[in-house]
Amino acid sequence: GQNIDQPTEMTATEGAIVQINCTYQTSGFNGLFWYQQHAGEAPTFLSYNVLDGLEEKGRFSSFLSRSKGYSYLLLKELQMKDSASYLCAGDSYGTNAGKSTFGDGTTLTVKP
Amino acid sequence: EPEVTQTPSHQVTQMGQEVILRCVPISNHLYFYWYRQILGQKVEFLVSFYNNEISEKSEIFDDQFSVERPDGSNFTLKIRSTKLEDSAMYFCASSQSENSPLHFGNGTRLTVT
Repeated sequence: GQNIDQPTEMTATEGAIVQINCTYQTSGFNGLFWYQQHAGEAPTFLSYNVLDGLEEKGRFSSFLSRSKGYSYLLLKELQMKDSASYLCAGDSYGTNAGKSTFGDGTTLTVKP
Repeated sequence: EPEVTQTPSHQVTQMGQEVILRCVPISNHLYFYWYRQILGQKVEFLVSFYNNEISEKSEIFDDQFSVERPDGSNFTLKIRSTKLEDSAMYFCASSQSENSPLHFGNGTRLTVT
């Protein structure tokens, strides 16, 4: 099975940097997704890490450590529109291929 | 950019009635999924579908649920006899391959009264 943990809520200031952590315990782990979900909307894809290390994509970066079962999403130069829920999702190969297990999500509030 | 479309956006039904939720995945995608999200809770996997058959399903996906790909474009989720606890947002998603990102539709909000 899969177990994904992330903080429930975080608050940060516009222009600042925030790091959202995610720990996972999974069988057949293949990679880790981050999605953004605004209230009342569908999740949208942000990043996917399979190998250890940092993947940078504009203001957003994601890090994975397979040995530690740990990932984080780093958001720089925060904007008000970044207020949303950020979902960590574990992906598996083998019998669970294609099935993503989502964490509860971290609700980020960006304040002026 | 191609997108996953779902209809209807909101469905209200009475307990015990059958509902069919419809989805049109992205045309060159091969893997299709249904997820649900009860208000204020996490996104939960229901079922994955590939090559015209279910590849995996969760404990939530019991005998009351079924999926179908009736033609080359539509992908449907049927709930045979709805219960109050089926009230949720149902998201359809598709992906190009097994481990590529999910593209979600905007969801169907199902309200069972």
